[in-house]
Amino acid sequence: AQRVTQPEKLLSVFKGAPVELKCNYSYSGSPELFWYVQYSRQRLQLLLRHISRESIKGFTADLNKGETSFHLKKPFAQEEDSAMYYCALLRTYKYIFGTGTRLKVLA
Amino acid sequence: GAGVSQTPSNKVTEKGKYVELRCDPISGHTALYWYRQSLGQGPEFLIYFQGTGAADDSGLPNDRFFAVRPEGSVSTLKIQRTERGDSAVYLCASSLEGAVGYTFGSGTRLTVV
Repeated sequence: AQRVTQPEKLLSVFKGAPVELKCNYSYSGSPELFWYVQYSRQRLQLLLRHISRESIKGFTADLNKGETSFHLKKPFAQEEDSAMYYCALLRTYKYIFGTGTRLKVLA
Repeated sequence: GAGVSQTPSNKVTEKGKYVELRCDPISGHTALYWYRQSLGQGPEFLIYFQGTGAADDSGLPNDRFFAVRPEGSVSTLKIQRTERGDSAVYLCASSLEGAVGYTFGSGTRLTVV
């Protein structure tokens, strides 16, 4: 079965500390993986996709097919990073989302 | 429009009533999607429109749920005989054909009492 797992419901870190939001997936084919973010009182928006291998707002994510993981990382967390983060697997045109991780960056 | 617009933003209805949720996608976006997000869960796919037709409605939970997009723009999600379990945030998104990144609306929070 195709599935996305985000094991942490809540992750709290201090400002300036490194952040890693975990995502594991189950998919038999070649996966297309994404991270979406929802800031407080804002709509869900695309943060990054693994194919583009880009860094957005200091965040990066590397696809590890051996570990079936796509963890989101940032070396130095900022207070404005506090948000809900969703990992998602794209199957043709529709997403399978994880349950999300709430990141709280403490001052 | 500038973004995906969903109305109403909040809807409270009594069990057994009929509701309609509206989505106005970005102008020119031919693909339109509905997702449902229950409390503590990620969004779950409901239905996908390409133009006026529903290309995939496999996510609709049962026949109480129906969606239309008669002119290939605005879409309406219709729920008959609402149940308390239908309470959720209903998200609409749109994209250009073949694009993989969606633009989501702010959602409609449906509460069935």
